[in-house]
This record gives sequence, C-alpha cells and structure tokens, in this order.
Amino acid sequence: AQSVSQHNHHVILSEAASLELGCNYSYGGTVNLFWYVQYPGQHLQLLLKYFSGDPLVKGIKGFEAEFIKSKFSFNLRKPSVQWSDTAEYFCAVNAQESGGYNKLIFGAGTRLAVHP
Amino acid sequence: KAGVTQTPRYLIKTRGQQVTLSCSPISGHRSVSWYQQTPGQGLQFLFEYFSETQRNKGNFPGRFSGRQFSNSRSEMNVSTLELGDSALYLCASSAAGFTDTQYFGPGTRLTVL
Repeated sequence: AQSVSQHNHHVILSEAASLELGCNYSYGGTVNLFWYVQYPGQHLQLLLKYFSGDPLVKGIKGFEAEFIKSKFSFNLRKPSVQWSDTAEYFCAVNAQESGGYNKLIFGAGTRLAVHP
Repeated sequence: KAGVTQTPRYLIKTRGQQVTLSCSPISGHRSVSWYQQTPGQGLQFLFEYFSETQRNKGNFPGRFSGRQFSNSRSEMNVSTLELGDSALYLCASSAAGFTDTQYFGPGTRLTVL
C-alpha cells in the first residue's frame, strides 16, 4: 500500500534558522504532492502543491518544496523561519490505489516550534 | 466566501450508539472528502463524494458511511460506535477533487465513552 513518511515528528528551531522537513512516499505511478499546515487553533490549509512541471515549487509565506522523482521525495524548505511558522506540517500524496480508487494519503505530521 | 462548516463541533456518545456528522462545503464546490484524525493514526482518508456519488474510499469498515445531497452538503454516519472511533473528523471541500486544493473545515470532535 502507498505510504507517506515524514522523518521528523518534532523540530525545534530558533528564529532565522533554516528549515528542511523531509517527506518520502512509496508509489511508483504519477503522483500529486502537497504540503499542508495547521497553525495553532486554525484549520488545515494548503501551503503548496506539485502536479507537474518545474520540480521546485513555491508556496505561501516563503516556503518552497522540491520534488525529486528518483528519491520519491518532496522536502519542504524555508531559508529563515519566524516565530509565526510554529505549526504542524503535513505532507500528502494523491495516489491511485488498487481498484481504481484515488485517495489523499497524509504523513504523520511534523510539529515545528520556533523560538524567538 | 464562507469557509467549510461542520456541525456539531463537539459530540459525546456511548459505545453502540450511532452518530451523524454534517459538512457544508464552500459554495460552488462539488467534492467533499472526510478524514479521521487521531494521535495514533494521524490523518486518514475515509471517503470522497462528488456530485452526490461516492467516488473514492479509504480502508474503513462499513460502519462508516456517508452521503452527499444535491446542494453538495455531506453527512457522515458512524454506526455501532466503538471506543476507537473517538477522533477529530475533518471534512474538506474542493471544486474538482484531490487534484484541486482541499479546503478543510474545523472538524467535529467525537468522544465515545
């Protein structure tokens, strides 16, 4: 079965530090890739997405992610984090399961805490 | 534009009961997906409805069912509740489905005693 792995469950950074959150998926076919974020007390919202084309995608609030097909990875990056980036980040993959069904598979999430 | 709304926000039930949760999508969105979020299993996809038809489904038992009405509002039903069904149930709407941006609601917190 398809799966999504996020390597770090908890990350603690100081403001202005660089961020990279890992995401790997297991699926050999065509995928659509997403990063969602949940700020404290808020709904899940889309940070960025990749469907095709340039493997380096830019999202909101200065985040970007790079799709590396050969590594089945879609890592999220931000060069300089702010306290307001404190949130939980979810990587998700849209893949087709056996039987023709599509589903959106989420990773376990990474809790990021940014200290001022 | 109003966001995705879910009712009720909190619910307490006992084992063996059944429960119905409601989701109103963003106006114009025809796809509604449901997810279960628990500390142990994370976010898991339940099913997706599009234009009143279940188009995709996850790996949950038949006790979990849903439907979608002509106005795109969706309901999710869980019968014969078990303690393990305690979770945050999220719905998300989009214009076309998974290839589109999903807009999530605040969720319904279900506690089964």
